[in-house]
Amino acid sequence: DSGVTQTPKHLITATGQRVTLRCSPRSGDLSVYWYQQSLDQGLQFLIHYYNGEERAKGNILERFSAQQFPDLHSELNLSSLELGDSALYFCASSVVLAGATDTQYFGPGTRLTVL
Amino acid sequence: AQTVTQSQPEMSVQEAETVTLSCTYDTSESDYYLFWYKQPPSRQMILVIRQEAYKQQNATENRFSVNFQKAAKSFSLKISDSQLGDAAMYFCAYRSSNYGQNFVFGPGTRLSVLP
Repeated sequence: DSGVTQTPKHLITATGQRVTLRCSPRSGDLSVYWYQQSLDQGLQFLIHYYNGEERAKGNILERFSAQQFPDLHSELNLSSLELGDSALYFCASSVVLAGATDTQYFGPGTRLTVL
Repeated sequence: AQTVTQSQPEMSVQEAETVTLSCTYDTSESDYYLFWYKQPPSRQMILVIRQEAYKQQNATENRFSVNFQKAAKSFSLKISDSQLGDAAMYFCAYRSSNYGQNFVFGPGTRLSVLP
């Protein structure tokens, strides 16, 4: 158990809908990262938040947005869903933004299925 | 931009034998961190081992060890005494030590362990 929690574990929805994925980082971790992993694919970095502020964006679609709240949990919002958005969405957290080894610890992921 | 390459999409090893997974990366930086993550069929991302580029000594974690060749930009993972539970996707990852940088993951190597 990495200490990172994600809800829900599974989500099934229809095209055009909007969903929210939630992530709670490990206690003490200030950074939260979101990744998308399509079937049998590698990890695509979406976005990084540090202590409530957006720090970096990767290949995140305009239909997707995220935020990190004062209690450090984060939400990833996916709207106008398309079939191609079906994937496993991971959240990861780390202690500090820079310095040390800054290892990322991953949550169990949310499996999104768009029908 | 940094890139990570894993040239072996699939590998197999006999139980109790040793296997080495390859990873190369491209960077102009001198200080960075390297990681191997394991993703079993459960799809959980599990940290296997990490290496700081400034350390010459290769990292070791029980049956897992790395061969870090900084000049060659190579970071291979050796699994000794392979067990059935080692069967998984293995991802090599790079992280710059610079402020605000994120992880770059390789495409992964699928390891099968044969009884």
